Amino acid sequence: NAGVTQTPKFQVLKTGQSMTLQCAQDMNHNSMYWYRQDPGMGLRLIYYSASEGTTDKGEVPNGYNVSRLNKREFSLRLESAAPSQTSVYFCATRTGTSTDTQYFGPGTRLTVL
Amino acid sequence: GESVGLHLPTLSVQEGDNSIINCAYSNSASDYFIWYKQESGKGPQFIIDIRSNMDKRQGQRVTVLLNKTVKHLSLQIAATQPGDSAVYFCAEHTGGFKTIFGAGTRLFVKA
Repeated sequence: NAGVTQTPKFQVLKTGQSMTLQCAQDMNHNSMYWYRQDPGMGLRLIYYSASEGTTDKGEVPNGYNVSRLNKREFSLRLESAAPSQTSVYFCATRTGTSTDTQYFGPGTRLTVL
Repeated sequence: GESVGLHLPTLSVQEGDNSIINCAYSNSASDYFIWYKQESGKGPQFIIDIRSNMDKRQGQRVTVLLNKTVKHLSLQIAATQPGDSAVYFCAEHTGGFKTIFGAGTRLFVKA
């Protein structure tokens, strides 16, 4: 089992460009999450999907959109990238039961020039 | 402990010594707490968890202590090894689907 996979691993964009970060899981988990991690700060929730067919905003949703394509896949889109979106992005999954252990992907390091 | 800016708190220990990493959580209603380990260039990994009806939980070489009175969590690592070098952060579950993550503490293990 691959667990949680993310593509790409690295990306450099120019201001105003768009891109989609992909996340896939083979753990059969219901919930999926997108976080960003900035130096010296904790993970901040961008969007989450409690189950297939639903998505909700997290703490820092501005400038992002998401799609829960199916139970396995949850994508994050930047429509018009800004330098403030330079960060490391992590996708995570959770079973959706009372335990809140999350399983993280390896991350995507995004630089916006 | 929690970060107060761009620089993470750092703990440096000698190989073989015990390490104690502290965390102050924010919400007195939080009912579930997790410690994660994050190695350089990787995603966070689960280490150990504890529910709010407990004050101590032990795993393999790791122990988590919870003090709800002062909203404090600690992670103890016994016989610290070079492979333990990483950033460690606590997370609290406040209900629903959201989790609050601390900024983390960087652990350096000196050989």
